[in-house]
Amino acid sequence: DVKVTQSSRYLVKRTGEKVFLECVQDMDHENMFWYRQDPGLGLRLIYFSYDVKMKEKGDIPEGYSVSREKKERFSLILESASTNQTSMYLCASSFPGGQGQPQHFGDGTRLSIL
Amino acid sequence: GQNIDQPTEMTATEGAIVQINCTYQTSGFNGLFWYQQHAGEAPTFLSYNVLDGLEEKGRFSSFLSRSKGYSYLLLKELQMKDSASYLCAVRPFSGGYNKLIFGAGTRLAVHP
Repeated sequence: DVKVTQSSRYLVKRTGEKVFLECVQDMDHENMFWYRQDPGLGLRLIYFSYDVKMKEKGDIPEGYSVSREKKERFSLILESASTNQTSMYLCASSFPGGQGQPQHFGDGTRLSIL
Repeated sequence: GQNIDQPTEMTATEGAIVQINCTYQTSGFNGLFWYQQHAGEAPTFLSYNVLDGLEEKGRFSSFLSRSKGYSYLLLKELQMKDSASYLCAVRPFSGGYNKLIFGAGTRLAVHP
């Protein structure tokens, strides 16, 4: 079974702090993704990576950055946390987009910015 | 633009059948996925459609009509554990990136 592990289930930080969310996958997937999930808005893509050191902006990259130094690990960074970044953050991974390759998700990190 | 619409909430009775609809308007189409997400848990993959027609997997089936931009997920013999959110997602582009666009999800409540 594919395992996508996010470092924390719950996290509380203060406005202005630099926040790191970590994600590790064990299936040698090339692609990794960071989403945020808010009620009524569904999953929105923040950033994704298709290879080590490669990254692409998603739909809502403002206020975030990412790092992929190793194939199995994809980090999301909130440069200066703000209250509107309080959300559920989900990491996913997949093989390249051939027929029917699903994304596999971690359990999520519920982040609160006070 | 990209738009995926699903009903926000649905209720159904244990043992019954429920159909969750999804309509999409995207810049391209290279497959549609359905995911199940229990509260506080990760979304898990249910089904994939890329050609028109019905795909059946046990109690769950998914249908696609590309000309209508329409899909549905059919759940039969509902069980209490089927209470969850169901997410429809479209892959608009071919190629290696495998990006998906998600609908807001349909929250299904199954009652005894």
